[in-house]
Amino acid sequence: ETGVTQTPRHLVMGMTNKKSLKCEQHLGHNAMYWYKQSAKKPLELMFVYSLEERVENNSVPSRFSPECPNSSHLFLHLHTLQPEDSALYLCASSQDFSSSGANVLTFGAGSRLTVL
Amino acid sequence: GQNIDQPTEMTATEGAIVQINCTYQTSGFNGLFWYQQHAGEAPTFLSYNVLDGLEEKGRFSSFLSRSKGYSYLLLKELQMKDSASYLCAVRDSNYQLIWGAGTKLIIKP
Repeated sequence: ETGVTQTPRHLVMGMTNKKSLKCEQHLGHNAMYWYKQSAKKPLELMFVYSLEERVENNSVPSRFSPECPNSSHLFLHLHTLQPEDSALYLCASSQDFSSSGANVLTFGAGSRLTVL
Repeated sequence: GQNIDQPTEMTATEGAIVQINCTYQTSGFNGLFWYQQHAGEAPTFLSYNVLDGLEEKGRFSSFLSRSKGYSYLLLKELQMKDSASYLCAVRDSNYQLIWGAGTKLIIKP
């Protein structure tokens, strides 16, 4: 497999559930990202990992908990979410974090989350 | 604050040319990106501009004017498959990506 793979593609959960989103990249990249995409809004950066260490945490509620066990995998653990958390959650990777040059992001297709 | 502005939606005709504008106000500048996102799919990289001028890549071109805080994406010979959202993003002085809300492009036969 190549590129960035996200599972599940669709998830429906109640506010009391606990679930996890998974992201996997086979590009040999050193940086991985979680973004939230809501309709007609800019992408919101949630978390960044560089070489498996968290380097960004943009005031994200604690009901979202990231985990990066190795350079190829990234998880987003979800618990006691709110209906306003319903959105598309995109994972991305890039060669490095905070480097010059293009350092293009490669995105996964996203996990569409609906919180009831 | 930092801000990226682009039109919410545009409509164009198959075979025609369309220009999608992006204006930005950011803390510093380290490059501007355009991504394409088809509905239900991953955003994919289209272009990167760091110096002023026009970058051409097949039917797509991207222009940058740093002094004006302005870029555009030019799509020629439009095809139905070009119907998608186009995202503009600027990397600021801290190498953070600032994103626009995207422009939904509708192509009509």
